[in-house]
Amino acid sequence: QVQLQESGARLVKPSETLSLTCSVSGGSVSPYYWSWIRQTPGKGLEWIGYIFYSGDTNYNSFLKSRAIISVDASRNEVSLKMTSLTAADTGLYYCARHPSAMAAFDIWGQGTMVTVSS
Amino acid sequence: EIVLTQSPGTLSLSPGERATLSCRTSQSVTSNYLAWYQQKPGQAPRLLIHGASSRATGIPDRFSGSGSGTDFTLTINRLEPEDFAVYYCQQYDNWPLSFGGGTRVDI
Repeated sequence: QVQLQESGARLVKPSETLSLTCSVSGGSVSPYYWSWIRQTPGKGLEWIGYIFYSGDTNYNSFLKSRAIISVDASRNEVSLKMTSLTAADTGLYYCARHPSAMAAFDIWGQGTMVTVSS
Repeated sequence: EIVLTQSPGTLSLSPGERATLSCRTSQSVTSNYLAWYQQKPGQAPRLLIHGASSRATGIPDRFSGSGSGTDFTLTINRLEPEDFAVYYCQQYDNWPLSFGGGTRVDI
């Protein structure tokens, strides 16, 4: 049974960079798509972007190029880096799997709470 | 961006009743690429329905999805106590992928 586990810094200062990792167990990152999705009090669920196991990426433009998603197939991990954080970026961050670019998210991690505060 | 509007915001029902949740999209979802998710407190969303009407693996048949174009519906027949949760619709027909604001189903 495939499981996803997010990890990374929980408290980040404004203007700093967030780094999160999604570890995939019970399966492989190949041949799937992996998205990062966040849930904030102000905007609800927002899709941040995806990466294909081969490295192709697609991002939501609302982030204005602040996000970078990468994959390490040898470690079965997907990572998210987001720069120039503000309080509006506070929320729950999930990784999720989808079998194709245009497909529903069939498996989700439990999420990790990120707080942006000085 | 396709905007998804869910209604009602909250649905107050009793176990055994039927819940009817609506999701309207600002543009037509041409390939019926619409999903429904259930989220309980402290948990991640769980996929219920994809392709507007196909149940995901392991989802009970009291959950059904219907609709096309810009109007979609999630129906939960004979509500069980574990069905009281927040439900989200999501379109994957157009970039960026987007979610509705959710409908809470309360006892």
